[in-house]
Amino acid sequence: EVQLVESGGGLVQPGGSLRLSCAVSGITFSSYSMNWVRQAPGKGLEWVSFISSSSSTIYYADSVKGRFTISRDNAKSSLYLQMNSLTVDDAAVYYCACLQRATSLDCWGQGTLVTVSS
Amino acid sequence: DIQLTQSPSSLSASVGDRVTITCRAGQSIDTYLNWYQQKPGKAPKLLIYAASSLQSGVPSRFSGSGSGTDFTLTISSLQPEDFATYYCQQSYSFRTFGQGTKVEIK
Repeated sequence: EVQLVESGGGLVQPGGSLRLSCAVSGITFSSYSMNWVRQAPGKGLEWVSFISSSSSTIYYADSVKGRFTISRDNAKSSLYLQMNSLTVDDAAVYYCACLQRATSLDCWGQGTLVTVSS
Repeated sequence: DIQLTQSPSSLSASVGDRVTITCRAGQSIDTYLNWYQQKPGKAPKLLIYAASSLQSGVPSRFSGSGSGTDFTLTISSLQPEDFATYYCQQSYSFRTFGQGTKVEIK
């Protein structure tokens, strides 16, 4: 069974930083690209960032470019998202997710809540 | 970035109704299009991948079609457990989600 477990969410002041982690089991993590997706309260899903299996290719949504950094540690089967210069617009549930191309692999974490407030 | 536009944004339907949701891409995405179902407080669940392939375990009343820029998700006979929000998602370039379609009880 594929399991993704996020951690690291919490309350942070505007301008602050947080680092999210996602521990993955049940798949050969090093073979798969991974993504972060977020969902603000009452809003739709927003793709945030992509990292290829070898970390050679990385993409960001325009809304987080220059502030967020995605990374991974294949030896630890873990995905990370370093979030800096947070604003109230970044408040959301953050999911790690597989979002593979044209395959049936479906894997999502349970989500971790990031609240940005003074 | 590739924009995905879903329509309608919401709909009201009755149990047994046939429901169709459309997703239009801003440029051709071949068949790199997935459909997800999301219920409140839960992570999304993959229903259809590669535009028309039914995910294992998903009821056959769900179907997907399309290629290029125009795609549809059809629920042939709406069941009580199908009331949820549905999202299309492309993986042709980066990743993008549609804005969602909320299916409510009429």
